[in-house]
Amino acid sequence: VQLVESGGGLVKPGGSLRLSCATSGFTFSDYHMSWIRQSPGKGLEWLSYISGSSKADYADSVRGRFTISRDNAKNSLYLQMNSLRVEDTAVYYCAKDYYFASGSFPTDWGQGTLVTVST
Amino acid sequence: SSVLTQPPSVSVAPGQTATITCGGIDIDLKSVQWYQQRPGQAPVLVVFEDSARPSGIPERISGSKSGNTATLTINRVAAGDEADYYCQIWDSADFVVFGGGTRLTVL
Repeated sequence: VQLVESGGGLVKPGGSLRLSCATSGFTFSDYHMSWIRQSPGKGLEWLSYISGSSKADYADSVRGRFTISRDNAKNSLYLQMNSLRVEDTAVYYCAKDYYFASGSFPTDWGQGTLVTVST
Repeated sequence: SSVLTQPPSVSVAPGQTATITCGGIDIDLKSVQWYQQRPGQAPVLVVFEDSARPSGIPERISGSKSGNTATLTINRVAAGDEADYYCQIWDSADFVVFGGGTRLTVL
């Protein structure tokens, strides 16, 4: 399993950024996928998940500003981030999830991409 | 909304046993996962469904649960175990919930 994030960088408050996650080593369309972030020196914060059929949901902190999507033909996951705030500064990880009857959890993580929101 | 409580830090001498706890309401009804995050690296799943280990995780790392507390136990601690450890559950309202993390220091 390989997950490689890209698209991070420096953006001004109010700006937008699109993160990508290229995957390999598993049948991408069969798996739920998630985005999780980690602010500098802080803990892990789950942001969003998407099912293989593109059903998605979001944490309250990003709902309405971030949009998760996937392209099963390209084995890729995306996160469109709009109206970015200083507090969105973090390392953003994509993760492959294990989905079970009672929910799901990440099993494999990419190395992350850093997003810095600053003037 | 679920909250998972972990001690901020645990310190242990090499060769000893480290125990990291994770408390939460209704945790006894939920599947608990544990992640290890070494400095500068991505998290790695070390325990899932309370006590199962993914392939490649040594047997000296184990998970258990009693009542509303889950516990990660690391036997024969070595310098390479120094990391942040996070517990995690799925909650129907908040989806993926992480504990605040525990920094394990090997003295």
